[in-house]
Amino acid sequence: GNSVTQMEGPVTLSEEAFLTINCTYTATGYPSLFWYVQYPGEGLQLLLKATKADDKGSNKGFEATYRKETTSFHLEKGSVQVSDSAVYFCVLTGANNLFFGTGTRLTVIP
Amino acid sequence: DVKVTQSSRYLVKRTGEKVFLECVQDMDHENMFWYRQDPGLGLRLIYFSYDVKMKEKGDIPEGYSVSREKKERFSLILESASTNQTSMYLCASSLRRGGVGELFFGEGSRLTVL
Repeated sequence: GNSVTQMEGPVTLSEEAFLTINCTYTATGYPSLFWYVQYPGEGLQLLLKATKADDKGSNKGFEATYRKETTSFHLEKGSVQVSDSAVYFCVLTGANNLFFGTGTRLTVIP
Repeated sequence: DVKVTQSSRYLVKRTGEKVFLECVQDMDHENMFWYRQDPGLGLRLIYFSYDVKMKEKGDIPEGYSVSREKKERFSLILESASTNQTSMYLCASSLRRGGVGELFFGEGSRLTVL
């Protein structure tokens, strides 16, 4: 079946630090992969996506590459800001649904 | 911009009460979803609908029902609320049938059942 395993949090970083949030998946077929972000007090919103192997999704300085050989979709950002503090979800498509990881809470301190 | 609006941000109900959570989207999306979000468990799908009057069970439908009488509105109903239904409830919609593609979420409804 389909599932997503993402890095447990919480993660606390200083401003301008490098961020990696690990995500691995198991899936049948050829799913699409997403990272969603939930800022405090808000609903989830799409951060970036990749629809096939070797695709790189990017947005707001965040990047993730769909790696079929390692079944991974790790989220990275070279220099985080306080405004990046949020919960990040790695997500996999299924036939009629999305499969969400448990979320990783990131706190960036000045 | 797509807007998904959930009727109540915070609700407090008593055990056994009937609870309605309303969700409206303004972009003519085919699909609508109800999730619950609990710490350490991520988002779990309760029900989804890909058309008016159509509904499909998700992963955790027990204790819930839904209604979709109009394309833009998807309601979640707790017939007899219990304390284990205390949670954050998130509504979402997406354009394409089948749920593949970007989901647009509402801001959530935090329900406390006493």
